[in-house]
Amino acid sequence: NAGVTQTPKFQVLKTGQSMTLQCAQDMNHEYMSWYRQDPGMGLRLIHYSVGAGITDQGEVPNGYNVSRSTTEDFPLRLLSAAPSQTSVYFCASSYGAGTSGSDTQYFGPGTRLTVL
Amino acid sequence: AQSVTQLGSHVSVSEGALVLLRCNYSSSVPPYLFWYVQYPNQGLQLLLKYTSAATLVKGINGFEAEFKKSETSFHLTKPSAHMSDAAEYFCAVSETVRNTGKLIFGQGTTLQVKP
Repeated sequence: NAGVTQTPKFQVLKTGQSMTLQCAQDMNHEYMSWYRQDPGMGLRLIHYSVGAGITDQGEVPNGYNVSRSTTEDFPLRLLSAAPSQTSVYFCASSYGAGTSGSDTQYFGPGTRLTVL
Repeated sequence: AQSVTQLGSHVSVSEGALVLLRCNYSSSVPPYLFWYVQYPNQGLQLLLKYTSAATLVKGINGFEAEFKKSETSFHLTKPSAHMSDAAEYFCAVSETVRNTGKLIFGQGTTLQVKP
């Protein structure tokens, strides 16, 4: 299994540009999520999904959109990039759809995004 | 609301010394607690987790953590540090109030291991 994969690894955008960060998992996990990591702030949840066709907002959803048309894929869209969205983005997945909260989440390698 | 506080953003130890990384949580319900490790330029990897079974939890790479309800703590320890342990460590609690599966992370602790 490849686990959780993310593309691209690095991206530089200009303010106002849009782009999609890709995330895929091959473990048949129901739960998928997007986090952003900023220095001194740990990881903060952007959006999450408990199954295909179901998404919900996390802690910092503004400026981001998600959809979940398949179990495997969970892309994150930046609608109009801003410098405040410069961060490292991690996708994660777990087997359970948050039924107990004890399931291990598996993280992708991250996408390092810079917005100029 | 649930929260996690990691005491000390940077911890430095000598190789072979005890590693102690502190984590305190706030939760109104019995929590599920996790420690993750992040090596430079990589994603997060699970070290261990507490899911209300044994209070002393053993993880990978010789790490363990003890859940202490009275102190609302879940500190991570390793008896003898190795150079390869240098990384950033995150404590997290699972959001159980609405069962969203959301992880609430602490700010992270960078472990430096000196030769």
